[in-house]
Amino acid sequence: NFVLTQPPSMSESPGKTVSISCTGSGAAIARNFVQWFQQRPDSGPITVIYEDKLRPSGVPDRFSGSIDTSSNSASLTISGLKTEDEADYYCQSYDTNDRWVFGGGTRLTVL
Amino acid sequence: EVQLVQSGAEVKKSGESLKISCKASGFSFSRYWIAWVRQMPGKGLEWMGIIYPGDSDTRYGPSFQGQVTISADKSISTVYLQWRSLKASDTATYYCARPYSTGIRDPPDIWGQGTKVTVS
Repeated sequence: NFVLTQPPSMSESPGKTVSISCTGSGAAIARNFVQWFQQRPDSGPITVIYEDKLRPSGVPDRFSGSIDTSSNSASLTISGLKTEDEADYYCQSYDTNDRWVFGGGTRLTVL
Repeated sequence: EVQLVQSGAEVKKSGESLKISCKASGFSFSRYWIAWVRQMPGKGLEWMGIIYPGDSDTRYGPSFQGQVTISADKSISTVYLQWRSLKASDTATYYCARPYSTGIRDPPDIWGQGTKVTVS
């Protein structure tokens, strides 16, 4: 049973850098690609990182993704934080049966 | 433009049936998997299941197997999510989503606007 675990909340000041972790259990996180979604209040999810580290067009290069096999985790790093980055962030990958697995989400506060 | 447009908000009573829709446009409907994702109030995203309209191959998440039915109508490029008997715990916003390419493990990049379902 593949599970992705995220910290429930994080906060950081504008201009700083924050890294949100997504730790896999039950399988190697590097086995399948990891995506990251941003969800602002009363809006649907949008992709900010796909296939571990790729950015869709239109997503600022302040957003980056990485995988650390030693800790079996993925990370979303946002540098030069802006108040508009305040949102919920979800990681997502797949289990052995092709089912999508989401992390529990991290509420990022920029203050 | 590639898009998924979902049906409007619903307010229902426990025990009633419901079918919500997700209409696709701007791409070859039969060739892309389309998933349903639930978000209960104040909670995270949960994958419910996915369908391949080309042959109606459907997979469900363990928590949703037997609780909902996912179907597709190729003639009108629409995917459906259906309940036979709603419960208060079905109150949530439901999103449809399409991977960026035709593989089941391709990352989702197109999302519907969400359908809010309230069950009292």
